[in-house]
Amino acid sequence: KAGVTQTPRYLIKTRGQQVTLSCSPISGHRSVSWYQQTPGQGLQFLFEYFSETQRNKGNFPGRFSGRQFSNSRSEMNVSTLELGDSALYLCASSRGTGATTDTQYFGPGTRLTVL
Amino acid sequence: KQEVTQIPAALSVPEGENLVLNCSFTDSAIYNLQWFRQDPGKGLTSLLLIQSSQREQTSGRLNASLDKSSGRSTLYIAASQPGDSATYLCAVSSPADYKLSFGAGTTVTVRA
Repeated sequence: KAGVTQTPRYLIKTRGQQVTLSCSPISGHRSVSWYQQTPGQGLQFLFEYFSETQRNKGNFPGRFSGRQFSNSRSEMNVSTLELGDSALYLCASSRGTGATTDTQYFGPGTRLTVL
Repeated sequence: KQEVTQIPAALSVPEGENLVLNCSFTDSAIYNLQWFRQDPGKGLTSLLLIQSSQREQTSGRLNASLDKSSGRSTLYIAASQPGDSATYLCAVSSPADYKLSFGAGTTVTVRA
Protein backbone atom coordinates (compact mmCIF):
# COMPACT_ATOMS: atom_id res chain seq x y z
CA LYS A 1 0.00 0.00 0.00
CA ALA A 2 1.44 3.37 -0.98
CA GLY A 3 2.25 5.77 1.83
CA VAL A 4 1.35 9.42 2.21
CA THR A 5 2.70 11.45 -0.67
CA GLN A 6 3.38 15.16 -0.73
CA THR A 7 4.15 17.39 -3.66
CA PRO A 8 6.27 19.23 -4.35
CA ARG A 9 9.11 18.08 -2.14
CA TYR A 10 10.98 21.37 -2.34
CA LEU A 11 9.86 24.91 -3.06
CA ILE A 12 11.60 28.24 -3.18
CA LYS A 13 9.45 31.36 -3.16
CA THR A 14 9.92 35.04 -2.49
CA ARG A 15 8.19 37.18 0.10
CA GLY A 16 4.68 38.20 -0.86
CA GLN A 17 4.05 35.24 -3.15
CA GLN A 18 1.58 32.50 -2.42
CA VAL A 19 2.09 28.75 -2.45
CA THR A 20 -0.05 25.62 -2.64
CA LEU A 21 1.09 22.29 -1.21
CA SER A 22 -0.57 18.98 -1.95
CA CYS A 23 -1.03 15.82 0.10
CA SER A 24 -2.40 12.44 -0.96
CA PRO A 25 -3.30 10.25 2.01
CA ILE A 26 -3.00 6.51 2.25
CA SER A 27 -5.80 4.82 0.36
CA GLY A 28 -8.84 4.47 2.60
CA HIS A 29 -7.73 7.14 5.06
CA ARG A 30 -10.23 9.92 5.52
CA SER A 31 -8.47 12.24 7.95
CA VAL A 32 -5.65 14.54 6.84
CA SER A 33 -3.72 16.82 9.16
CA TRP A 34 -1.07 19.43 8.39
CA TYR A 35 1.87 20.44 10.54
CA GLN A 36 4.61 23.03 10.30
CA GLN A 37 8.07 22.08 11.57
CA THR A 38 10.76 24.67 12.27
CA PRO A 39 13.96 24.45 14.33
CA GLY A 40 12.72 27.10 16.74
CA GLN A 41 9.08 26.08 17.25
CA GLY A 42 9.22 22.36 16.56
CA LEU A 43 6.12 20.66 15.19
CA GLN A 44 3.00 22.78 15.29
CA PHE A 45 -0.49 21.75 14.25
CA LEU A 46 -2.02 23.71 11.39
CA PHE A 47 -5.38 22.05 10.69
CA GLU A 48 -7.19 18.77 10.26
CA TYR A 49 -9.71 17.75 7.62
CA PHE A 50 -12.14 14.87 7.71
CA SER A 51 -14.64 14.13 4.98
CA GLU A 52 -13.97 17.51 3.33
CA THR A 53 -14.65 19.43 6.54
CA GLN A 54 -12.12 21.29 8.64
CA ARG A 55 -12.46 19.81 12.10
CA ASN A 56 -9.77 21.67 13.95
CA LYS A 57 -7.42 24.55 13.39
CA GLY A 58 -4.18 25.52 15.08
CA ASN A 59 -3.04 28.96 16.08
CA PHE A 60 -1.91 30.28 12.71
CA PRO A 61 -2.93 33.45 10.87
CA GLY A 62 -5.60 33.44 8.21
CA ARG A 63 -2.91 33.43 5.51
CA PHE A 64 -2.78 29.68 6.09
CA SER A 65 -5.73 27.82 4.64
CA GLY A 66 -6.56 24.37 3.42
CA ARG A 67 -9.15 22.16 1.89
CA GLN A 68 -9.92 18.52 1.32
CA PHE A 69 -11.43 16.97 -1.75
CA SER A 70 -13.92 14.14 -2.04
CA ASN A 71 -11.10 11.65 -2.70
CA SER A 72 -9.51 12.74 0.63
CA ARG A 73 -6.61 14.49 -1.07
CA SER A 74 -5.80 17.76 0.63
CA GLU A 75 -4.15 21.03 -0.24
CA MET A 76 -2.88 23.81 1.92
CA ASN A 77 -2.31 27.34 0.76
CA VAL A 78 -0.15 30.07 2.23
CA SER A 79 -0.72 33.56 0.89
CA THR A 80 1.52 36.62 1.18
CA LEU A 81 4.53 34.57 2.20
CA GLU A 82 6.83 35.82 4.94
CA LEU A 83 10.39 34.82 5.72
CA GLY A 84 9.16 33.08 8.86
CA ASP A 85 7.04 30.71 6.80
CA SER A 86 10.18 28.86 5.77
CA ALA A 87 9.69 25.40 7.21
CA LEU A 88 9.09 21.74 6.58
CA TYR A 89 5.37 21.21 6.05
CA LEU A 90 4.21 17.76 6.97
CA CYS A 91 0.97 16.06 6.12
CA ALA A 92 -0.38 13.08 8.04
CA SER A 93 -3.30 10.78 7.38
CA SER A 94 -5.22 8.41 9.58
CA ARG A 95 -7.83 5.77 9.03
CA GLY A 96 -10.78 6.53 11.17
CA THR A 97 -12.46 9.35 12.85
CA GLY A 98 -9.49 11.61 13.23
CA ALA A 99 -6.08 12.60 14.37
CA THR A 100 -6.71 12.12 18.04
CA THR A 101 -7.59 8.44 18.12
CA ASP A 102 -5.68 6.72 15.33
CA THR A 103 -2.08 6.19 14.37
CA GLN A 104 -0.87 9.08 12.26
CA TYR A 105 1.07 8.25 9.10
CA PHE A 106 3.25 11.07 7.90
CA GLY A 107 4.43 12.00 4.45
CA PRO A 108 8.01 13.03 3.61
CA GLY A 109 7.15 16.71 3.82
CA THR A 110 7.52 19.75 1.61
CA ARG A 111 10.51 21.94 2.34
CA LEU A 112 9.49 25.57 1.73
CA THR A 113 12.13 28.27 1.58
CA VAL A 114 11.01 31.89 1.44
CA LEU A 115 13.62 34.38 0.23
CA LYS B 1 -3.22 23.66 26.86
CA GLN B 2 -1.26 20.42 26.68
CA GLU B 3 2.51 20.83 27.07
CA VAL B 4 4.83 17.98 26.11
CA THR B 5 8.44 17.84 27.25
CA GLN B 6 11.22 15.49 26.23
CA ILE B 7 14.41 15.21 28.21
CA PRO B 8 17.24 14.96 27.35
CA ALA B 9 17.36 16.92 24.11
CA ALA B 10 20.27 14.79 22.89
CA LEU B 11 21.78 11.46 23.80
CA SER B 12 24.89 9.61 22.61
CA VAL B 13 25.49 5.96 23.47
CA PRO B 14 27.79 3.17 22.28
CA GLU B 15 26.33 0.43 20.15
CA GLY B 16 24.65 -2.32 22.15
CA GLU B 17 23.58 -0.13 25.04
CA ASN B 18 19.90 0.14 25.90
CA LEU B 19 18.24 3.49 25.23
CA VAL B 20 15.76 5.16 27.57
CA LEU B 21 13.86 8.16 26.25
CA ASN B 22 11.50 10.18 28.40
CA CYS B 23 8.35 12.12 27.62
CA SER B 24 6.17 14.07 30.05
CA PHE B 25 2.87 15.85 29.53
CA THR B 26 0.90 18.26 31.65
CA ASP B 27 -2.71 17.17 31.13
CA SER B 28 -3.41 13.54 32.01
CA ALA B 29 -6.72 13.56 30.13
CA ILE B 30 -5.45 12.06 26.89
CA TYR B 31 -6.73 9.83 24.12
CA ASN B 32 -3.35 8.30 23.34
CA LEU B 33 0.37 8.87 23.12
CA GLN B 34 2.44 8.14 20.05
CA TRP B 35 6.17 7.76 19.56
CA PHE B 36 7.69 8.73 16.23
CA ARG B 37 11.10 8.59 14.66
CA GLN B 38 12.41 11.28 12.32
CA ASP B 39 15.53 11.03 10.22
CA PRO B 40 17.21 14.30 9.15
CA GLY B 41 15.13 16.21 6.60
CA LYS B 42 12.53 13.46 6.43
CA GLY B 43 8.98 12.89 7.59
CA LEU B 44 7.93 11.07 10.73
CA THR B 45 7.66 7.31 11.08
CA SER B 46 5.19 6.00 13.63
CA LEU B 47 6.81 3.60 16.08
CA LEU B 48 4.22 2.88 18.73
CA LEU B 49 0.79 4.11 19.77
CA ILE B 50 -0.43 3.60 23.33
CA GLN B 51 -4.10 4.15 24.02
CA SER B 52 -4.96 5.89 27.29
CA SER B 53 -6.30 2.62 28.73
CA GLN B 54 -3.02 0.79 28.09
CA ARG B 55 0.12 0.66 30.22
CA GLU B 56 2.60 -0.38 27.54
CA GLN B 57 3.14 -1.41 23.95
CA THR B 58 5.90 -3.48 22.41
CA SER B 59 7.25 -3.85 18.91
CA GLY B 60 10.45 -5.79 18.38
CA ARG B 61 13.26 -4.07 20.29
CA LEU B 62 10.96 -1.18 21.22
CA ASN B 63 8.86 -0.96 24.36
CA ALA B 64 6.87 2.06 25.43
CA SER B 65 5.22 2.53 28.80
CA LEU B 66 2.53 4.99 29.80
CA ASP B 67 1.75 6.31 33.27
CA LYS B 68 -1.16 8.61 32.61
CA SER B 69 -1.65 9.67 36.21
CA SER B 70 1.88 11.02 36.48
CA GLY B 71 1.92 12.31 32.91
CA ARG B 72 4.87 10.25 31.76
CA SER B 73 5.87 7.86 29.02
CA THR B 74 9.16 6.09 28.45
CA LEU B 75 10.45 4.57 25.24
CA TYR B 76 12.98 1.76 25.67
CA ILE B 77 15.11 0.62 22.77
CA ALA B 78 17.03 -2.56 23.50
CA ALA B 79 20.51 -3.31 22.19
CA SER B 80 20.88 -0.07 20.23
CA GLN B 81 22.38 -0.08 16.73
CA PRO B 82 23.87 2.74 14.63
CA GLY B 83 20.72 2.59 12.49
CA ASP B 84 18.73 3.73 15.52
CA SER B 85 20.38 7.15 15.27
CA ALA B 86 17.54 9.62 14.68
CA THR B 87 15.32 12.09 16.48
CA TYR B 88 12.55 10.53 18.52
CA LEU B 89 9.39 12.51 19.16
CA CYS B 90 6.45 11.81 21.38
CA ALA B 91 3.03 13.25 20.72
CA VAL B 92 -0.09 13.34 22.84
CA SER B 93 -3.68 13.71 21.71
CA SER B 94 -6.11 15.29 24.13
CA PRO B 95 -9.85 15.93 24.16
CA ALA B 96 -9.13 19.48 25.26
CA ASP B 97 -7.19 20.27 22.07
CA TYR B 98 -8.44 17.58 19.72
CA LYS B 99 -5.02 17.54 18.06
CA LEU B 100 -1.56 16.07 18.47
CA SER B 101 0.80 18.02 20.69
CA PHE B 102 4.46 17.20 20.09
CA GLY B 103 7.51 17.33 22.25
CA ALA B 104 10.70 18.88 20.88
CA GLY B 105 12.30 15.47 20.49
CA THR B 106 15.39 13.64 21.67
CA THR B 107 18.21 13.31 19.13
CA VAL B 108 19.92 9.97 19.55
CA THR B 109 23.37 9.06 18.26
CA VAL B 110 24.49 5.44 18.51
CA ARG B 111 28.26 5.16 18.12
CA ALA B 112 29.65 2.12 16.34
